Order: sequence, then C-alpha cells, then structure tokens
Amino acid sequence: AQSVTQLGSHVSVSEGALVLLRCNYSSSVPPYLFWYVQYPNQGLQLLLKYTSAATLVKGINGFEAEFKKSETSFHLTKPSAHMSDAAEYFCAVSSYGNNRLAFGKGNQVVVIP
Amino acid sequence: DAGITQSPRHKVTETGTPVTLRCHQTENHRYMYWYRQDPGHGLRLIHYSYGVKDTDKGEVSDGYSVSRSKTEDFLLTLESATSSQTSVYFCAIKTGDLNTEAFFGQGTRLTVV
Repeated sequence: AQSVTQLGSHVSVSEGALVLLRCNYSSSVPPYLFWYVQYPNQGLQLLLKYTSAATLVKGINGFEAEFKKSETSFHLTKPSAHMSDAAEYFCAVSSYGNNRLAFGKGNQVVVIP
Repeated sequence: DAGITQSPRHKVTETGTPVTLRCHQTENHRYMYWYRQDPGHGLRLIHYSYGVKDTDKGEVSDGYSVSRSKTEDFLLTLESATSSQTSVYFCAIKTGDLNTEAFFGQGTRLTVV
C-alpha cells in the first residue's frame, strides 16, 4: 500500500529563512507525488506535483520540491519564508493503477517575524 | 476554483441521529472522494467513487455509507452519528488520469454532541 511520512507536526521558521518540509513515500510502483497547502478554514489547494517529467518541480508562491528515488523522498523547500506562508502543508501520493490519494499527517508552519 | 460545493458548511447534531453531507461538482470529473480531517491524523479517506453507482471503501469507512446516483453528486451518510465522528469533512474530485491532482471543496465542520 502506498503511504507518506511527514515528520514534525509543527515547524517554526523565521521570516526570510529557508523553509524545509520533509516527505518520504512508500510505493511499490512509480509514484505520483503532490504537495498541498491549507490556509485556515479553507480547503486544500495544490502547491506542486511530480509526475515523472522532471525531478525538480516548481510550484506556486516560490515553493519547489525535488523527487529523489534513491531516498524515496519529495521534500518541499522555499528559500525565504514570508508571513503569508503560515499554513498547514500536506504531502500526498498516488501510484500507477490507483487513483486513491494517501496523505501525510501534515506540517503546521509558523512564521516568526 | 474548481466547481465543488459542499453542504452544509457547518452542522451540529445529536448522538444517534442520521446525518447526510452533500458534495456537488460541476466539472464532470469521474472520481469523487470523502475525507475526514482530524488533528494529528491529516486527511483520511472514508469512501470514494469511480463512477455513478460505483463506490469503494477507504481506510476509515466504518459508520459511514455513500451514494452516487448522478455524476455530479456524492452523498456521505452517517447512519447514527457518534461523538468520534466530530470532524471536518472534505470532498474532493479528480479526473481519471493518474497524473492529475484532486480538487477540494471548502469542507463541512460537523459536531456531534
């Protein structure tokens, strides 16, 4: 069964500092990987996705993620945190032959002025 | 925004009563999903549908049933609500292509007292 692991439920980062959120996946077949963001009292919206076209994926709001098959990872980064980045971030995986998305437990990001 | 409407947006109900949540889409997407979101658990799949009258269970399906009689509507029913079903419920839609993302509704906050 496919799954993702996100460590550290709460992540604090200073404004202007690097944002790094880790995601490791488990899948027996080539995965499709997604990062979603959820702002307070809203639904989830897509930040970026990996679908095998390129290992480095750029998303909205300056975020990017790199797919590393050898490490089974898809970590999310942003070089410089902004106050508006305060939100919850979810990593999700689906795989060939399966249209079910499995989500990690999420990272609540707090940006410190 | 993708055309997904969840109703109601908020509901308070008593233990033991039946509750039905509605998800309506205008995108004609094949796949529809119901997730619940709880602190520390991320999003967990309850049920999903891959076509009219075609549904399957997710990881936390006990106590829930679903129906999809039309492409655009996916209903989630709690036959006899319990306090453990207090949660935020999200509907999502997706095309049948494996490399596409899911689009989420705004959520329904359900409180069972």
